[in-house]
Amino acid sequence: DAKTTQPPSMDCAEGRAANLPCNHSTISGNEYVYWYRQIHSQGPQYIIHGLKNNETNEMASLIITEDRKSSTLILPHATLRDTAVYYCIVRVNSNYQLIWGAGTKLIIKP
Amino acid sequence: DTEVTQTPKHLVMGMTNKKSLKCEQHMGHRAMYWYKQKAKKPPELMFVYSYEKLSINESVPSRFSPECPNSSLLNLHLHALQPEDSALYLCASSQSLTASGNTIYFGEGSWLTVV
Repeated sequence: DAKTTQPPSMDCAEGRAANLPCNHSTISGNEYVYWYRQIHSQGPQYIIHGLKNNETNEMASLIITEDRKSSTLILPHATLRDTAVYYCIVRVNSNYQLIWGAGTKLIIKP
Repeated sequence: DTEVTQTPKHLVMGMTNKKSLKCEQHMGHRAMYWYKQKAKKPPELMFVYSYEKLSINESVPSRFSPECPNSSLLNLHLHALQPEDSALYLCASSQSLTASGNTIYFGEGSWLTVV
């Protein structure tokens, strides 16, 4: 069963920050939050993951609430190439299983 | 380098054909995976290999037969498939099954159409 809830779709203007929310209210203490995206007809691309603390890399930032029941993926300056389905995933620490949500289709508009 | 390479990118096969999908990674990863993805759905796990041994079979029909010839290669042999098996087949790899927080990297996938 999916452990994450995401809005089915979102729009964002090119050049603006895209903020993608995810609810994971039943997350356990040893479960990570992962984000992947899938551009049409391609394989899922890893973006970022975190456990408790906020994380940032060259692609995005991940903000996790203190109670860990929700998180937000931030793409700081969205481009047209960021149009994709974004998956918020819960993963048990030290486990191969990725529990996928339904994903958010993000459309970046010129 | 976080590349997982899959071939072929597209495959059309008849229901009586035998074909194979191939996957290769050179990241030194010891865990490799096959996923199946239908349109507008997230990927579904099929098989997991760890150190070249089959660890997980998610109740996949026997017409799908995985093989791991060595630590860099993973094959999926296909025989007597049905039209409903048409999907995107994804290969993935990670350092191991159990390394804390280790990332699973996906290939670009093989689009399979069964006619």
